[in-house]
Amino acid sequence: EAQVTQNPRYLITVTGKKLTVTCSQNMNHEYMSWYRQDPGLGLRQIYYSMNVEVTDKGDVPEGYKVSRKEKRNFPLILESPSPNQTSLYFCASRRGNEKLFFGSGTQLSVL
Amino acid sequence: GQQVMQIPQYQHVQEGEDFTTYCNSSTTLSNIQWYKQRPGGHPVFLIQLVKSGEVKKQKRLTFQFGEAKKNSSLHITATQTTDVGTYFCAGQLGGNTPLVFGKGTRLSVIA
Repeated sequence: EAQVTQNPRYLITVTGKKLTVTCSQNMNHEYMSWYRQDPGLGLRQIYYSMNVEVTDKGDVPEGYKVSRKEKRNFPLILESPSPNQTSLYFCASRRGNEKLFFGSGTQLSVL
Repeated sequence: GQQVMQIPQYQHVQEGEDFTTYCNSSTTLSNIQWYKQRPGGHPVFLIQLVKSGEVKKQKRLTFQFGEAKKNSSLHITATQTTDVGTYFCAGQLGGNTPLVFGKGTRLSVIA
């Protein structure tokens, strides 16, 4: 089944404790992206990747890192999480300019 | 940077009433996509519009792309409780540029 898999689904952590949210897709898509969703602000892009070893900043990249060492994986790294990074995070992928496939989301709480 | 404005932010309707959400871009788009996010779920692709003045229908949903390719709308006829959710438009400038999402319209349907 074609899908984008994110883990974990829920995460509670404390300020400053490094964490990684994993994202994997099985559709051989070149393009992958991370979004955060906050009430009233919609989906804001954090980082995206056009292909392996190519990453670019989105609209809200501060405090986040990503890597794209393999085509299928695109982890999101928070080196030193802060409470303002409490949010719902979505990973997505697509082929060319076709539709985006979204993961199920990761609800992150930073205390 | 490119912006996509979406209105209204919220809409409450009685079951059976019609519903419309509108998107406007500050720049001409190459295409626009629409997504639906059910409560607690992730965004799911509905449709893509590419041509100027294009109109597409999916059962009770009608999607339009403006002649200038700067605006779009989604109209639902005779809403049902299954239509509840947040509807997002997402515009793309062209080439391999990222999709820019509107903030979404949250639809509530009162039975």
